[in-house]
Amino acid sequence: EAGVTQSPTHLIKTRGQQATLRCSPISGHTSVYWYQQALGLGLQFLLWYDEGEERNRGNFPPRFSGRQFPNYSSELNVNALELEDSALYLCASSSPRVAGKLLDNEQFFGPGTRLTVL
Amino acid sequence: AQRVTQPEKLLSVFKGAPVELKCNYSYSGSPELFWYVQYSRQRLQLLLRHISRESIKGFTADLNKGETSFHLKKPFAQEEDSAMYYCALGYPRSNFGNEKLTFGTGTRLTIIP
Repeated sequence: EAGVTQSPTHLIKTRGQQATLRCSPISGHTSVYWYQQALGLGLQFLLWYDEGEERNRGNFPPRFSGRQFPNYSSELNVNALELEDSALYLCASSSPRVAGKLLDNEQFFGPGTRLTVL
Repeated sequence: AQRVTQPEKLLSVFKGAPVELKCNYSYSGSPELFWYVQYSRQRLQLLLRHISRESIKGFTADLNKGETSFHLKKPFAQEEDSAMYYCALGYPRSNFGNEKLTFGTGTRLTIIP
């Protein structure tokens, strides 16, 4: 079974530019989560999408946004890049709900996209 | 606010010695606690969770609600245990709308041969 995939592996941008990161969840998973792993800060929750809707958002400014497509893949967009946005961005997916109930909240992680802002 | 604290950034242990990675949490309800591990050049993966009460790769973790702790333990360290370990707090599965993991800052465990 293929795991969560992310692209690109590395992304180098300059301040003020926009970055787009992509994630494909495990087949059958409908929830996608985005986390930022900055040096020394651990993983910080960014966004959660489920069934095409944004369900929850971490403590990040609005220039961090995203969307989920009908095939459950997702994009994370970061506008007006700042130097401190340099980090590893991880995507995770979890199994779907059955009759509205989440059966398992284990999250499966992708390899990440390393974003460097110069 | 929910918080997970891993007080040790780095931990070095000799092969064969016991290992304990500390994790404390703050949450007013009944959380689910996880340990995730990231081996060198591999992705983050689940090691164990408190509800399964199982031992994975010789590791165990007991949820202590009184002390709000979920320390990870192994009686005899092996070289392949060297990795980055993250403690994470999840929310009750019925709590729709709050499905995220709150991670600690991680502990890098190095096993000395």
